[in-house]
Amino acid sequence: DAKTTQPPSMDCAEGRAANLPCNHSTISGNEYVYWYRQIHSQGPQYIIHGLKNNETNEMASLIITEDRKSSTLILPHATLRDTAVYYCIVTFGNEKLTFGTGTRLTIIP
Amino acid sequence: DAMVIQNPRYQVTQFGKPVTLSCSQTLNHNVMYWYQQKSSQAPKLLFHYYDKDFNNEADTPDNFQSRRPNTSFCFLDIRSPGLGDAAMYLCATSRSGWERSQPQHFGDGTRLSIL
Repeated sequence: DAKTTQPPSMDCAEGRAANLPCNHSTISGNEYVYWYRQIHSQGPQYIIHGLKNNETNEMASLIITEDRKSSTLILPHATLRDTAVYYCIVTFGNEKLTFGTGTRLTIIP
Repeated sequence: DAMVIQNPRYQVTQFGKPVTLSCSQTLNHNVMYWYQQKSSQAPKLLFHYYDKDFNNEADTPDNFQSRRPNTSFCFLDIRSPGLGDAAMYLCATSRSGWERSQPQHFGDGTRLSIL
């Protein structure tokens, strides 16, 4: 699986959009980009995933660049409950997730 | 509503005393995973079952074993826990097949302490 690079930490004001970047310059053509988050003392929670096209669901939007070498997770209206570690993972399928260090997102009141 | 259930949430065992952690799922997913997450680290895959087929990660210690008696249940056995095995153990499930890639669903983990 391709490696990912994420900033170690970010802050975002409550109510604003949180934009979390991820670089995956060695991604191959059939690898998906997955985002999970982990709130303290809980298991990781699936957020969204995509292959080439931008995706949106009730939690977030995923923007993948045309060359697929980077992506951005967007939480449109961040709340205090969005404070968590966010993991960007590139994988061929769902058989194996290799977690990196992630981004610790703190939502500021 | 819980779909991947891990019991207990907290487990304490003695050094060298065998311990079993359990996971059950109501999703009828064919793949089940066990991850280990040590303090301030990311989760690390130990092994997974694809239906009844067991798949061990190359660097998973022999001390760790797993059983999957049926689709809904999976167990993690630690034969002789050492102090370094203190961690959060996470169970996850997914539906695997030929359709579009499917996400994994995680339980809330069992935090294991070794005395």
